[in-house]
Amino acid sequence: DTGVSQDPRHKITKRGQNVTFRCDPISEHNRLYWYRQTLGQGPEFLTYFQNEAQLEKSRLLSDRFSAERPKGSFSTLEIQRTEQGDSAMYLCASRPWGGDTQYFGPGTRLTVL
Amino acid sequence: DQQVKQNSPSLSVQEGRISILNCDYTNSMFDYFLWYKKYPAEGPTFLISISSIKDKNEDGRFTVFLNKSAKHLSLHIVPSQPGDSAVYFCAANYFGNEKLTFGTGTRLTIIP
Repeated sequence: DTGVSQDPRHKITKRGQNVTFRCDPISEHNRLYWYRQTLGQGPEFLTYFQNEAQLEKSRLLSDRFSAERPKGSFSTLEIQRTEQGDSAMYLCASRPWGGDTQYFGPGTRLTVL
Repeated sequence: DQQVKQNSPSLSVQEGRISILNCDYTNSMFDYFLWYKKYPAEGPTFLISISSIKDKNEDGRFTVFLNKSAKHLSLHIVPSQPGDSAVYFCAANYFGNEKLTFGTGTRLTIIP
């Protein structure tokens, strides 16, 4: 049983560029979550999908951020016109129907220069 | 508004001794609590959880205690091993809420 996978693991970009991250959840986990973690802080919730439906978005998710889960399997998180404040670790997690625990992937570390 | 607090940024414990990590929360709606362990450059790994209907849950060397009246939980690791050196996060949520709320973490260092 493979865990949650994320790609890429690291991304360095220049301010103003667009970036896209991918998350593959654990097979048959119908719930998928995105979090962001900055230095010295715990992960902060960004958004959540149940199957392909995006059911909740945090105020942290500005209009430059968009997330999709088109077929209810993998998900993408896009950041447009990146800013230096977007530099963080972006974490994906998944949870099965009826389960209580969210399982996290290794994260994508974004550095905006 | 920090609803989940880990007031000790770091903790050092001798190998073989007990490690006790603490967590306090303010939101009375929280009814499910989790501990995650995180190594550098990796995602959080689930360790152990507890529901508010219990006051203790054990899994091998790890035990979590919940004191609902004090809004406090703790993670005990016995005996501590060098591989336990990591950052530990406390997280909480409640029924019907999908969002986990995390503390700021405690860095545990096990001294050989």
